[in-house]
Amino acid sequence: TQLLEQSPQFLSIQEGENLTVYCNSSSVFSSLQWYRQEPGEGPVLLVTVVTGGEVKKLKRLTFQFGDARKDSSLHITAAQPGDTGLYLCAGTGPKKSSGDKLTFGTGTRLAVRP
Amino acid sequence: GAGVSQSPSNKVTEKGKDVELRCDPISGHTALYWYRQSLGQGLEFLIYFQGNSAPDKSGLPSDRFSAERTGGSVSTLTIQRTQQEDSAVYLCASSLIRGQPQHFGDGTRLSIL
Repeated sequence: TQLLEQSPQFLSIQEGENLTVYCNSSSVFSSLQWYRQEPGEGPVLLVTVVTGGEVKKLKRLTFQFGDARKDSSLHITAAQPGDTGLYLCAGTGPKKSSGDKLTFGTGTRLAVRP
Repeated sequence: GAGVSQSPSNKVTEKGKDVELRCDPISGHTALYWYRQSLGQGLEFLIYFQGNSAPDKSGLPSDRFSAERTGGSVSTLTIQRTQQEDSAVYLCASSLIRGQPQHFGDGTRLSIL
């Protein structure tokens, strides 16, 4: 059973466009992380959000954690070809017994055309 | 090196053979995690080590999978009697302590013929 659903699965856009990726769950998570992964490499952490309603900005990327800590979004403004990659959300929890192992989302593959 | 190092980067083996995958975590990191990334299942947790505590093995898919961590540093993931469905990228991550951000290696791509 996949606990974290991401949408869309695939996204191909033109350079300069804006986009939003969604990460949804019916479960509450202690924290939620966003990673970007390029072919042949491991995921690289972009941000961690821990408080419901929290918004974090990383240059052109804006991350939001839902008030109920069940969902998150990633918004990219004026996308660049360098943003191309696989974006993964990952949650810790929801149960204390889960420890800090990450439950990963289904992934969103983004391609930004020059 | 400064990052998590995994070896080999690629492994091709015949069905039924045993394989060992190695992970060198970042120096000083006490927590170490193994994940598996496959096309059909995405990225899944396998096993987690924290210091000298008993590992969390709840993600291991069968008793053919085992892992150990010697001296609180290097870890080895062993798959016995490999099956074609074991084909995947096996990723290792480490963190300074539990609850801190996890840093991933580039993985071992395992192909079972």
